[in-house]
Amino acid sequence: DTAVSQTPKYLVTQMGNDKSIKCEQNLGHDTMYWYKQDSKKFLKIMFSYNNKELIINETVPNRFSPKSPDKAHLNLHINSLELGDSAVYFCASSQMEGTEAFFGQGTRLTVV
Amino acid sequence: GENVEQHPSTLSVQEGDSAVIKCTYSDSASNYFPWYKQELGKRPQLIIDIRSNVGEKKDQRIAVTLNKTAKHFSLHITETQPEDSAVYFCAASWGQAGTALIFGKGTTLSVSS
Repeated sequence: DTAVSQTPKYLVTQMGNDKSIKCEQNLGHDTMYWYKQDSKKFLKIMFSYNNKELIINETVPNRFSPKSPDKAHLNLHINSLELGDSAVYFCASSQMEGTEAFFGQGTRLTVV
Repeated sequence: GENVEQHPSTLSVQEGDSAVIKCTYSDSASNYFPWYKQELGKRPQLIIDIRSNVGEKKDQRIAVTLNKTAKHFSLHITETQPEDSAVYFCAASWGQAGTALIFGKGTTLSVSS
């Protein structure tokens, strides 16, 4: 009964490929996020969705496209992967925007 | 937009000592300030938070103080233990629609026994 779960946990892929990461929360929260954690551990907000609507899009290349089929799911699709996309991607959710965020276990993406 | 600065980036203490991590924020509209702990290979988890109408909050060995005038807040850990070793992140937000937590760059705390 994990609160925020994302799959896969590890993803190794070649440059130029397209990949998706899935996220689901069972907390009944209206808001979901994607954060990127780089090799220096910096947690940077990428996207925020509230009840399936995109609220925040923080200067992320348009190769990244989030999709929220319902308020319990927020998936991240990445086209034409580049070496610089290698990072840990965390999904998170909160009851209200900008309040306590509950994180998934992270997806370590390695682009080779 | 909001910008959060965090210091120090690394902190080494002996078991039983106190540790203090400081953060400053830029947006005076921010009113929610959580602290997260991230152990190696794990997800960030909330350890304590404070809202702008409160100056200090304590939970056992952990305390957070907030100075809204100066726009800074601090995490205090007393009687540190080896299991306190982790990366600690401060964050800030408006706590309302259209916002997300903006994180500092993290402090790696090492507690040696």
